[in-house]
Amino acid sequence: KAGVTQTPRYLIKTRGQQVTLSCSPISGHRSVSWYQQTPGQGLQFLFEYFSETQRNKGNFPGRFSGRQFSNSRSEMNVSTLELGDSALYLCASSLAPPQSNYGYTFGSGTRLTVV
Amino acid sequence: AQSVSQHNHHVILSEAASLELGCNYSYGGTVNLFWYVQYPGQHLQLLLKYFSGDPLVKGIKGFEAEFIKSKFSFNLRKPSVQWSDTAEYFCAVELTGGGNKLTFGTGTQLKVEL
Repeated sequence: KAGVTQTPRYLIKTRGQQVTLSCSPISGHRSVSWYQQTPGQGLQFLFEYFSETQRNKGNFPGRFSGRQFSNSRSEMNVSTLELGDSALYLCASSLAPPQSNYGYTFGSGTRLTVV
Repeated sequence: AQSVSQHNHHVILSEAASLELGCNYSYGGTVNLFWYVQYPGQHLQLLLKYFSGDPLVKGIKGFEAEFIKSKFSFNLRKPSVQWSDTAEYFCAVELTGGGNKLTFGTGTQLKVEL
């Protein structure tokens, strides 16, 4: 079966712009979570969605937001981009709430560069 | 706040050497534990996971990890590494009942030399 699909793979944006990233989970997976990966901060949790509801949120400013659609696909949006938002953004899908007894499957990520 | 510590940031080994990567977490409640690997240019892949039961967990590619509750540790081991094991390894912890949220360690960069 298809894995977790993230689009686009690469993105270059200018400071002050906004960006939308997309994640399609594995078929049947209803939980989607987002992570930011940077060399300095490592992997940090952004938020998690299940059944179109945000259940968990990490310590990121309000410029970072997300949503989930009825088909479980998720998008995250970053407004007013800053240079420090340059990172690899990873999406993970999971089958069973509230625990990930089946583990998480990660996508290849979207590499965002802010110039 | 929950935290995960990986004390070895960079490890260099020769092929056939044994590997042990340390992972400690701070939360005292019930947790699920994971080790992920990220090969150069590739996405995160699950090596192994622990939810309950036998504290010695076997994963893919000959890796295993032991959960020691009293030490809040979940160390990763492999008896004989290969050049292809060169990658970054991440320990992650999930608080049970806390929703689908992983807290990751800072990662260990492993380089295996021929």
